[in-house]
Amino acid sequence: EPEVTQTPSHQVTQMGQEVILRCVPISNHLYFYWYRQILGQKVEFLVSFYNNEISEKSEIFDDQFSVERPDGSNFTLKIRSTKLEDSAMYFCASKIVQGGNTEAFFGQGTRLTVV
Amino acid sequence: AQSVTQLGSHVSVSEGALVLLRCNYSSSVPPYLFWYVQYPNQGLQLLLKYTSAATLVKGINGFEAEFKKSETSFHLTKPSAHMSDAAEYFCAVSVNQAGTALIFGKGTTLSVSS
Repeated sequence: EPEVTQTPSHQVTQMGQEVILRCVPISNHLYFYWYRQILGQKVEFLVSFYNNEISEKSEIFDDQFSVERPDGSNFTLKIRSTKLEDSAMYFCASKIVQGGNTEAFFGQGTRLTVV
Repeated sequence: AQSVTQLGSHVSVSEGALVLLRCNYSSSVPPYLFWYVQYPNQGLQLLLKYTSAATLVKGINGFEAEFKKSETSFHLTKPSAHMSDAAEYFCAVSVNQAGTALIFGKGTTLSVSS
């Protein structure tokens, strides 16, 4: 069964360092998302991406964040200068079509720990 | 704007007992509603979704949920809990607009004891 894969599963980084989280969405999906979940809090939307550009982003997604689809398969989230409060589980998701009634398929998540 | 409230961050039931996980939503337009489950060390998996067809929606693993517009609720139920149901459950809302994303609740951890 097709699935969204994320690497690494766990990353520890020092405050101020750049980090790249990687995702391979399902191959025929067209819409890609990043969400995060700070420990004990709700899953929060960060950004959606379609046709090689950001289609929507939340207030959380500030200039420290960027996304890229560098080739036909990967979808990355970069945090330029990590802060302690960036520690969270980051989920990648993909959808085949855009409609709100279509389910998103999620990866297993990358747990980012900033020390 | 849309939002979701899950009442109860932790629910404990005995094996064989009824499972009831509560979700209330707020939306200015007709919503689509989802329940996702997360097992330890795994991603979010769709349990079921409401997309304006039947108000009673059946999902995987014996779960179902009923959309009640008058109560702005979409509670998740299962008649008889299994040990394997222990997981975290997330309710989410979406709307039929371009570029829409899921808005999640805080999640409810379900524990099942023997």
